[in-house]
Amino acid sequence: NAGVTQTPKFQVLKTGQSMTLQCAQDMNHNSMYWYRQDPGMGLRLIYYSASEGTTDKGEVPNGYNVSRLNKREFSLRLESAAPSQTSVYFCASRTTGMFSNQPQHFGDGTRLSIL
Amino acid sequence: KNQVEQSPQSLIILEGKNCTLQCNYTVSPFSNLRWYKQDTGRGPVSLTIMTFSENTKSNGRYTATLDADTKQSSLHITASQLSDSASYICVVNLVYSSASKIIFGSGTRLSIRP
Repeated sequence: NAGVTQTPKFQVLKTGQSMTLQCAQDMNHNSMYWYRQDPGMGLRLIYYSASEGTTDKGEVPNGYNVSRLNKREFSLRLESAAPSQTSVYFCASRTTGMFSNQPQHFGDGTRLSIL
Repeated sequence: KNQVEQSPQSLIILEGKNCTLQCNYTVSPFSNLRWYKQDTGRGPVSLTIMTFSENTKSNGRYTATLDADTKQSSLHITASQLSDSASYICVVNLVYSSASKIIFGSGTRLSIRP
């Protein structure tokens, strides 16, 4: 089982460029999440999808958009990258939604640098 | 002010020694608290979960405790190994009537020296 797969693993962009971070899970999970991890801070939720066809904003959604393409895939798009978006981005999935005691399963992250 | 605070920020111990990591939270309504291990360059992996009624839970050499009255949790690592070098993240799950929220601590970076 691959679990949660994120692509690419590394990316360098120039300010103003756009890109899409891809995430796919093979565990038949309903909920999927995008986080960013910055030094000295806890993971912060950007967007989440409680189920296929739904998306909601998290704590830090500005500058990002998401698409829940199907049950397996949840992508994160930066329309016009800014240096403040330099971070490590993690995708996660969980079997059920808001009242679940099940753990989130994380991918290995995308390390993104904006010059 | 962080709603989930972990201490220390970093810790170095010798292989074979024990250590205890702390997590204090100020948020409510509390549903459960989970400890994750994050190896360098990898995503977090769940170690253990504790609900309101649980005081202690073990997973091999890892033992988590929870005091819901004082809103404190600890993760004790026994007989540390080099592979324990990682960041350990405390995560609190809140559940409201129609929503939930997950709050991450900033982690403790543990280094095990041979």
